[in-house]
Amino acid sequence: GAGVSQTPSNKVTEKGKYVELRCDPISGHTALYWYRQSLGQGPEFLIYFQGTGAADDSGLPNDRFFAVRPEGSVSTLKIQRTERGDSAVYLCASSSTGNEQFFGPGTRLTVL
Amino acid sequence: GQNIDQPTEMTATEGAIVQINCTYQTSGFNGLFWYQQHAGEAPTFLSYNVLDGLEEKGRFSSFLSRSKGYSYLLLKELQMKDSASYLCASLGGNNTNAGKSTFGDGTTLTVKP
Repeated sequence: GAGVSQTPSNKVTEKGKYVELRCDPISGHTALYWYRQSLGQGPEFLIYFQGTGAADDSGLPNDRFFAVRPEGSVSTLKIQRTERGDSAVYLCASSSTGNEQFFGPGTRLTVL
Repeated sequence: GQNIDQPTEMTATEGAIVQINCTYQTSGFNGLFWYQQHAGEAPTFLSYNVLDGLEEKGRFSSFLSRSKGYSYLLLKELQMKDSASYLCASLGGNNTNAGKSTFGDGTTLTVKP
């Protein structure tokens, strides 16, 4: 079956612009996670959804970051007024049990 | 907090055995993951330990000691394709961080012929 998909695979934007990153989880998975990963580091937790609600958004670095999952399936991570420090690979993962997480291929965001 | 500590790099020989250690400090700890990540790719799940002890899955085994805040991943009969980063991650379990995974920075394993 289809795994987790993320679009776009690469996004280059200019400082100050707005970006949206999309995640399509595995069908039926109720839990969805967003992480970001910089080179040489492990994934950094951003936000976790259980169904439509954000169960834990403690990892969002500031109010420029926001994520939604309106129908409990697809999720969008939104970043306003992008900064160069936002450049990273943004990973999405989904899970049916809350234990094993299946990761998507990631979106590589570059802020110039 | 949930600080995760694991070695940055390890090198081993094809056919050998290697043990990658991980220590964690957490309140509300619920379980410990190991993931494999090849360069430029997403992490893939290897194991999840909740109870103390060793769990074996083919060439890979994972061990957990909750009282010591310690885990290890054991890789046997190493193959060249095992060269990758191995990520240790703890899963939170109390009301404030249930479902939240905290990852270490990974151990880059290089398997040499």
